[in-house]
Amino acid sequence: AQTVTQSQPEMSVQEAETVTLSCTYDTSESNYYLFWYKQPPSRQMILVIRQEAYKQQNATENRFSVNFQKAAKSFSLKISDSQLGDTAMYFCAFMKRNTGNQFYFGTGTSLTVIP
Amino acid sequence: DGGITQSPKYLFRKEGQNVTLSCEQNLNHDAMYWYRQDPGQGLRLIYYSQIVNDFQKGDIAEGYSVSREKKESFPLTVTSAQKNPTAFYLCASSILVSGANYGYTFGSGTRLTVV
Repeated sequence: AQTVTQSQPEMSVQEAETVTLSCTYDTSESNYYLFWYKQPPSRQMILVIRQEAYKQQNATENRFSVNFQKAAKSFSLKISDSQLGDTAMYFCAFMKRNTGNQFYFGTGTSLTVIP
Repeated sequence: DGGITQSPKYLFRKEGQNVTLSCEQNLNHDAMYWYRQDPGQGLRLIYYSQIVNDFQKGDIAEGYSVSREKKESFPLTVTSAQKNPTAFYLCASSILVSGANYGYTFGSGTRLTVV
């Protein structure tokens, strides 16, 4: 079974600063995807960033980037120039490739951006 | 605009009653999923379906039932056998393409409360 661990239940960051959210996972698979989802107070789940395990290059989407360490099974999310709208729960998720597409989610990190 | 519609947004159920949560998508996605979200536990998979008239149990299927009579629709019934149904329920869908996955699209959720 796959497990995803987010060890930081809550974090805060000053507006315009940078923050890193941690995620580790446990799997015997070699081919998989990793995702970060954002859930603001509206509770709508929004895809932030996606990483394919066979790609060594870290994914980047505007102010969001990841540090993917496959050997260490680590997938952290860095948010640069934090904005008030970044306040949300952030979930790390794992998916095996070529399967029924079941996601395995971490328990989430609640991020608060302080003005 | 394409998307996933969940209804109702809030639902109240008396103990011993069955209730059905609606999920409709117009994205032409093959696969659909139901997740349950509880505080501090992330998202857990209830059921998923990759094709019409077929579905698979997830990690916490007991006390729930689903149907997939149309590609666009994947309703979830919470039966009286579910002992602790109060939770936030999220429906999601995804394209199934061999060798690739671009993540889920989520609905806006249904908050179910037992009264």
